[in-house]
This record gives sequence, structure tokens and C-alpha cells, in this order.
Amino acid sequence: AQSVTQLGSHVSVSEGALVLLRCNYSSSVPPYLFWYVQYPNQGLQLLLKYTSAATLVKGINDFEAEFKKSETSFHLTKPSAHMSDAAEYFCAVSEGPGNTGKLIFGQGTTLQVKP
Amino acid sequence: DAMVIQNPRYQVTQFGKPVTLSCSQTLNHNVMYWYQQKSSQAPKLLFHYYDKDFNNEADTPDNFQSRRPNTSFCFLDIRSPGLGDAAMYLCATRAGGALNTIYFGEGSWLTVV
Repeated sequence: AQSVTQLGSHVSVSEGALVLLRCNYSSSVPPYLFWYVQYPNQGLQLLLKYTSAATLVKGINDFEAEFKKSETSFHLTKPSAHMSDAAEYFCAVSEGPGNTGKLIFGQGTTLQVKP
Repeated sequence: DAMVIQNPRYQVTQFGKPVTLSCSQTLNHNVMYWYQQKSSQAPKLLFHYYDKDFNNEADTPDNFQSRRPNTSFCFLDIRSPGLGDAAMYLCATRAGGALNTIYFGEGSWLTVV
């Protein structure tokens, strides 16, 4: 079975500092991996996704993530945090190339950005 | 413009009183999902439709039902809501292939009193 573990339920950074949100996955087949952001009382918005092409994936709002098979990781980074980045971030794995493509989410990481 | 629209955004219901949440989409996607997200937790898939084919997750309680009368609309029915069913319910859609992006609605907050 596939699963996702997000290390750190809360991450706090200063505005302008590097953002690093950690995600490790478990999958018996090549995974599809995703990062979603959720602002308070809203749905989820896709930041980026890895689907077995380039291992370094660039997303919206200067976020990027690197797929490392040897480490089973898909950490999310952003060079310089902005106040508007404060939100909940979810890493997710898809069951793969089957028809459902359903997402299995990690527990989420709350990003706090301090002025 | 919103592409996945959920109504109502906020719903208060009494313990045991049936409630229906709706989802509509303008994307003409053939896959629709319902997720339950409790406070400070990850979204959990309840069920999904691939066209008219309904797929229930093994651990989804019988209390939760769904209807999809056409491509654009999908409903979540909670037959007898309990206090533990208070959550945000997220509808999502996807076009065919598993590589395609899943689009989420804004969610419907359910409070059970």
C-alpha cells in the first residue's frame, strides 16, 4: 500500500527565509507525487506534481520539489518565504497509472511565516 | 471563475437529520471524488465516480451515500449525521487519465448539533 509521511506538523520561518517542507513516500510501484496548498476554510490547490519526467519539478509561486528515489523523498522548497505562503501544505501520492488516480495524503504541515 | 462549485459552503444540521451536500463542475470531467477532512487532519477519500461507475472506499461508513445524476453534478448524502461526521467535505474532479490534475472545490463545512 502507498503512504506518505510529512515530517514536522508545524514549520515556522521568517519572511525571506528558505522554506523546506519534508515528505517521504512509500510505494511498491513508481509513484506520482503531488504537493497541495490549503488556505483556511478553502479547498486544495495544486502546487506541483511529479509524474516520472524530470526529477526537479517547478510549480507555482516559486515552489519546487525534487524527487529522490534513493531517499524516497519529495521535499518542497521555496527560496524566499512570503507572508502569503502561510497555509497548510499536503504531500500526496497517487496510486499510479490506473483509472482512479485517487490521492493518498500526508498529515499536512502548517507553515507559519513571521515578519 | 470557479470550476468546481460546492453548496452550501456551511451547513448546520441536527444530530440524525439527513443532509445533502452538492457539487457541480464546469470542466466536463468524468471522474468525481468526495473527500472528508476533519479538523487538522488530512483529507480522506470516501468514494469516487468514474463516469457512472461508483467506487466506495472499504472503510466508508454506510451512513454516507452518493448520487451522480449526470456528468456535471454529484451529491453527498449523509443519512443520519452523528457528531463525528462534523468535517469539511471536499469535492474534486479529474479528466480521465491519472496524470491529469485533480481540481478541488472550496469545500462544505458541516456542523452537527
